[in-house]
Amino acid sequence: GAGVSQSPRYKVTKRGQDVALRCDPISGHVSLYWYRQALGQGPEFLTYFNYEAQQDKSGLPNDRFSAERPEGSISTLTIQRTEQRDSAMYRCASSLADFSSNEQFFGPGTRLTVL
Amino acid sequence: AQSVSQHNHHVILSEAASLELGCNYSYGGTVNLFWYVQYPGQHLQLLLKYFSGDPLVKGIKGFEAEFIKSKFSFNLRKPSVQWSDTAEYFCAVIGGSQGNLIFGKGTKLSVKP
Repeated sequence: GAGVSQSPRYKVTKRGQDVALRCDPISGHVSLYWYRQALGQGPEFLTYFNYEAQQDKSGLPNDRFSAERPEGSISTLTIQRTEQRDSAMYRCASSLADFSSNEQFFGPGTRLTVL
Repeated sequence: AQSVSQHNHHVILSEAASLELGCNYSYGGTVNLFWYVQYPGQHLQLLLKYFSGDPLVKGIKGFEAEFIKSKFSFNLRKPSVQWSDTAEYFCAVIGGSQGNLIFGKGTKLSVKP
């Protein structure tokens, strides 16, 4: 059984460019979470989905950040007009459902560097 | 808002030493608590979790954690560390009803062979 996969693993971009980060959750997992981890910090919640519905986007830092999960499986996190402060590890996790008792399984992350 | 504090940024131990990593959380209600570990070059993975019942929780690889409600703490322990325990350890709590995790800043553990 495959785990959570993310692509690309590394992304280097120039300031002002748009980037799209992809997450492919474990098959059958209803809930999908995005986190961002700056250097020396723990992961911070960005947004999450149940199936294709975005349930909470309170952690998205500003309107340059958006996420979608149109068919309830793969999700894309898009950052428009990237800035240097967006440089971080972006982590995706999935779980069977959004009950607190469900373990979240994490992907390898995408390391984003904005020059 | 809920928060998690991990007191040690970097801990260096020799093999066979005992380990205790501190974790305190801010929320006063019912809590679900986790310890995640990230070995070098690998994903975040669950080490152990507490939801209810016995406050002493045993996880993988000989780790355990004790939930002390009166102290708002969930410290991670291992009686004898190995070089392979070198990793970064994150304490986390469930943030509200949605199930998103709130993490501490992490503690980097280096075990000298």
